[in-house]
Amino acid sequence: EAGVVQSPRYKIIEKKQPVAFWCNPISGHNTLYWYLQNLGQGPELLIRYENEEAVDDSQLPKDRFSAERLKGVDSTLKIQPAELGDSAVYLCASSLRSGRVGYNEQFFGPGTRLTVL
Amino acid sequence: DAKTTQPTSMDCAEGRAANLPCNHSTISGNEYVYWYRQIHSQGPQYIIHGLKNNETNEMASLIITEDRKSSTLILPHATLRDTAVYYCIVGGGNQFYFGTGTSLTVIP
Repeated sequence: EAGVVQSPRYKIIEKKQPVAFWCNPISGHNTLYWYLQNLGQGPELLIRYENEEAVDDSQLPKDRFSAERLKGVDSTLKIQPAELGDSAVYLCASSLRSGRVGYNEQFFGPGTRLTVL
Repeated sequence: DAKTTQPTSMDCAEGRAANLPCNHSTISGNEYVYWYRQIHSQGPQYIIHGLKNNETNEMASLIITEDRKSSTLILPHATLRDTAVYYCIVGGGNQFYFGTGTSLTVIP
């Protein structure tokens, strides 16, 4: 079974440039997450989708970050314009919408490492 | 606001049991305890989860205290491939707060 696929794995851009990350979740997973991970820190949630609906985007910096999941499958996270402080690993994860309240195993992709110069 | 407290780092001899503690004194009744680990340059990987009872799977055992305010992840026979950052997470449904985790180094 294929896992969560992310591309690119690495991206180097200059500040003020736009950048986009792509994620394809595990087949059949309704819930998709984008996380930000700074060096030495744990992942922090940016946005969560249930199918094509963004149900939690409270931590997404909406002035420069945007995301979409148009058909409820794969998703794109965009930054425009990028700033030096955006250098980090961007992780995508997916999960089934479990019928058991409180239980949720998330499957993570390898991440995209962004470097802003 | 951190929901869990873990030691920053730990060492364990290869072949010995690794016991990773986690404090979660503010856990609520319907929140699960999850453990994930992250090997360098990879995404986090699920290990185990529990609510009240102790749990065991092919990777590890999870011991949760009776008051649920703390837990211990046990890797029964640590190998070099178990070197990773281990995250103890308390959450309900889709709310995950990873914290900074414990960096476990397995020593040959």
